[in-house]
Amino acid sequence: SQTIHQWPATLVQPVGSPLSLECTVEGTSNPNLYWYRQAAGRGLQLLFYSVGIGQISSEVPQNLSASRPQDRQFILSSKKLLLSDSGFYLCAWSVWGKGYEQYFGPGTRLTVT
Amino acid sequence: GEDVEQSLFLSVREGDSSVINCTYTDSSSTYLYWYKQEPGAGLQLLTYIFSNMDMKQDQRLTVLLNKKDKHLSLRIADTQTGDSAIYFCALRGAGTASKLTFGTGTRLQVTL
Repeated sequence: SQTIHQWPATLVQPVGSPLSLECTVEGTSNPNLYWYRQAAGRGLQLLFYSVGIGQISSEVPQNLSASRPQDRQFILSSKKLLLSDSGFYLCAWSVWGKGYEQYFGPGTRLTVT
Repeated sequence: GEDVEQSLFLSVREGDSSVINCTYTDSSSTYLYWYKQEPGAGLQLLTYIFSNMDMKQDQRLTVLLNKKDKHLSLRIADTQTGDSAIYFCALRGAGTASKLTFGTGTRLQVTL
């Protein structure tokens, strides 16, 4: 069966510090991968998605970047965090076919102080 | 872009049925999904329906799709306190990478 992991689960970082959030998927090959941000328990905002290694599409211009160094690894980064980067970050995966449904990881709660 | 609207809050008594509604604007939506999010957790896929279907039932869950009115609903029979959560509808439009557009979420509160 497929599983998706995210870490860390929670993170408190000062303004101006770098960020690296990691997401890995097990049990599937060549998944589509997604990063979302959710503010205040509402409204998911798609940040990045990837259909393959090294292929990243950005949905919202911002202070963040994403990379996919391996087939089942997706990383969200920032060089200098802003207060507005605080939120709940969710990684998801999907595969072509069937219902194209997305499956979500447990999320990372980021607080920028 | 696609607009997906949900009411913010719904309160029901334990044992009653809950109906969570979702309206959307993009008639080209191919798959429509319902997700559940408990506090501090990721989203859990509950069920989905293909756009050529009107109804799908899965145990206590019934999904109804009215394509003419662009209205999707999720009915939870015999609602339990464990059903308290935020429920999101999501739509997949035509195109690549299966990007989803999420609704604003409905907080379901189940009271005793």
